[in-house]
Amino acid sequence: QEQLVESGGGLVTPGGSLRLSCAASGFSFSDHYMTWIRQAPGKGLEWVSHINSGGTTKYYAESVKGRFTISRDNVKDSLFLEMSSLKDEDTAIYYCARGVFSDFWGQGTLVTVSP
Amino acid sequence: DIVMTQSPDSLAVSLGERATINCKSSQSVLYSSTKKDCLAWYQQKPGQAPKLLMYWASTRESGVPDRFSGSGSGTDFTLTINSLQAEDVAVYYCHQYYSLPYSFGQGTKLEIK
Repeated sequence: QEQLVESGGGLVTPGGSLRLSCAASGFSFSDHYMTWIRQAPGKGLEWVSHINSGGTTKYYAESVKGRFTISRDNVKDSLFLEMSSLKDEDTAIYYCARGVFSDFWGQGTLVTVSP
Repeated sequence: DIVMTQSPDSLAVSLGERATINCKSSQSVLYSSTKKDCLAWYQQKPGQAPKLLMYWASTRESGVPDRFSGSGSGTDFTLTINSLQAEDVAVYYCHQYYSLPYSFGQGTKLEIK
């Protein structure tokens, strides 16, 4: 059974850092691009970042460029998002999703940036 | 950057009737080498993660009921839900994966009239 499980969310003060993880199972993780997408409370979806199957090519939304770093471990079937210099507007549910057009999503992890 | 604009923002449709949601991209999302449009549709029910409904504009994801259909090409796309069921109440998003940064429409909230 295919599964994506995010973890690492929580409450952090502005300027702080957080590392999100996404554990994949039930499919060949190393064959797929992986994506992070976020959703602020009561708002729509925002594409954040994606990484190719080998981990060599990474793209970021302008809103997070220079502050967030995406990475993956194809041995441990895991995707990561390192977030630093966090701002209030980074408060959101962060989803990991499989593939360029995100055919399968995890349930998300909530990141709250507040003093 | 490509801007995706959905219309309407919300709509109410009677059970058994047809719902139509439109999505317009600020530039074409047609991938010329494959003649496929890089456009997906998602359904998000309250408290749940989004679920893929359609990709390549008109290809239905496995397991999605055939009352859902996608159409359009270039810059104008439509998601049609025939014979609306109560379980179709959700927010629907279009998404372009043609050009980075990828982008989503603002969402359309579908309710029962």
